[in-house]
Amino acid sequence: DAGVTQSPTHLIKTRGQQVTLRCSPKSGHDTVSWYQQALGQGPQFIFQYYEEEERQRGNFPDRFSGHQFPNYSSELNVNALLLGDSALYLCASSLQGGRDTQYFGPGTRLTVL
Amino acid sequence: AQKVTQAQTEISVVEKEDVTLDCVYETRDTTYYLFWYKQPPSGELVFLIRRNSFDEQNEISGRYSWNFQKSTSSFNFTITASQVVDSAVYFCAQGDAGNMLTFGGGTRLMVKP
Repeated sequence: DAGVTQSPTHLIKTRGQQVTLRCSPKSGHDTVSWYQQALGQGPQFIFQYYEEEERQRGNFPDRFSGHQFPNYSSELNVNALLLGDSALYLCASSLQGGRDTQYFGPGTRLTVL
Repeated sequence: AQKVTQAQTEISVVEKEDVTLDCVYETRDTTYYLFWYKQPPSGELVFLIRRNSFDEQNEISGRYSWNFQKSTSSFNFTITASQVVDSAVYFCAQGDAGNMLTFGGGTRLMVKP
């Protein structure tokens, strides 16, 4: 049974560029949540997708956007990258519109130069 | 707003010692969920336990045990007879009704042989 997968593993971008991160949920899960984890800190909630709609959003600017596809996979897009966007981006999947336990993927390490 | 505090940023113990990781949470919700996750150097968050706010029963799983006390808003985690493989960063998190997770800052546990 495949767990949560994310791609790419690492990414290097420059300020002002745009980036797309991808997540495939655990088999049978229908909800995807995205978190940003800066170095030495706990993860911070970005948003959650269920039934192809954004259901909840944390305190992140509109530069952060997402999408969920009919197969439940998801993308996180960040526009106009800032140095402060450098972080580990974690995807989590769960059942029942997010009310179930969230299981995390290995993350994408984004470095903005 | 929810808040999770892990006052211990770093703990160092010698193998076979018992160690307790503290977690204090703040919420106005009557229904909420508490979690512990382990983050090894690889970066992936590994789920350890989930507790519902209406279930204060303590739990033991092998060398791991959890003490949930609503009266003090605490959800502490004890590792008995620690091992080198327990070395990691441990995060306590709280989920709301939509299961948006709010994480603490994490406790880095180093178990020396």
